[in-house]
Amino acid sequence: KAGVTQTPRYLIKTRGQQVTLSCSPISGHRSVSWYQQTPGQGLQFLFEYFSETQRNKGNFPGRFSGRQFSNSRSEMNVSTLELGDSALYLCASSLVASGYNEQFFGPGTRLTVL
Amino acid sequence: KQEVTQIPAALSVPEGENLVLNCSFTDSAIYNLQWFRQDPGKGLTSLLLIQSSQREQTSGRLNASLDKSSGRSTLYIAASQPGDSATYLCAALGGSNYKLTFGKGTLLTVNP
Repeated sequence: KAGVTQTPRYLIKTRGQQVTLSCSPISGHRSVSWYQQTPGQGLQFLFEYFSETQRNKGNFPGRFSGRQFSNSRSEMNVSTLELGDSALYLCASSLVASGYNEQFFGPGTRLTVL
Repeated sequence: KQEVTQIPAALSVPEGENLVLNCSFTDSAIYNLQWFRQDPGKGLTSLLLIQSSQREQTSGRLNASLDKSSGRSTLYIAASQPGDSATYLCAALGGSNYKLTFGKGTLLTVNP
C-alpha cells in the first residue's frame, strides 16, 4: 500500500507570491492534517480535514488555507508569502478522524521563500 | 492549551547502551500519544502509539509507556545502534480537538 505522498518535494518562491501544496493520503484514509515545521517553533498544527470539511484549525493567519477533495486528496495554499513561511510542510493521514487511529506522515514539502 | 516538553533536547550515547527519552504533557485529556522518528530533512516515521487507556506499547527494541495522571510518557530504546541516530518526537492527540501537539524533540546520536 502506498504511503502518504506530497508534491512538490521542494519549492522556491519569492515574497508576495502564492503557493499550493498537495497531499495524497493513504488509500482509504479520510482524514488529512497539515503541519508546519520550523527550527524555531518546531511542528505546529495548521488544519485538519475530514470528508471535505475543515474540522480543526491551528493558530495561523488567514493567508493559510486548505481544502479537501472527494477522493480525500488535500491541498493547502499560502498567499502573499513572507520570509517566515519558509518551512517544511508535512501532511498526515489517518483512517478516520478518531483518536484510535494512528497518523501517518508524508515526506514533506520544503518551501523556501526568498 | 496543551504543551508538550521533551527532555533531554540532545543525547549522545555509545552503541549498545539502553536509554530513556522523556516526554511530558500538561493536559491529560488526550486520545493517544505517539512517538515518531525523524531523520534529517525527512518526514516523520511513526514508532509507537499508546491509546489513552493503555499503559505501554512495545515494538522490537522500543518500549513506550504512558502515565496520564502524571502527564508523562517515556520511550525506552534497548541496545542502541548507530542506525537509531535521529530526532525522536512525541505528540499528544488532544481530547478536545483532533490535533497533534508535538514536543520539540530529542536529538539522539549513537556512537559506534
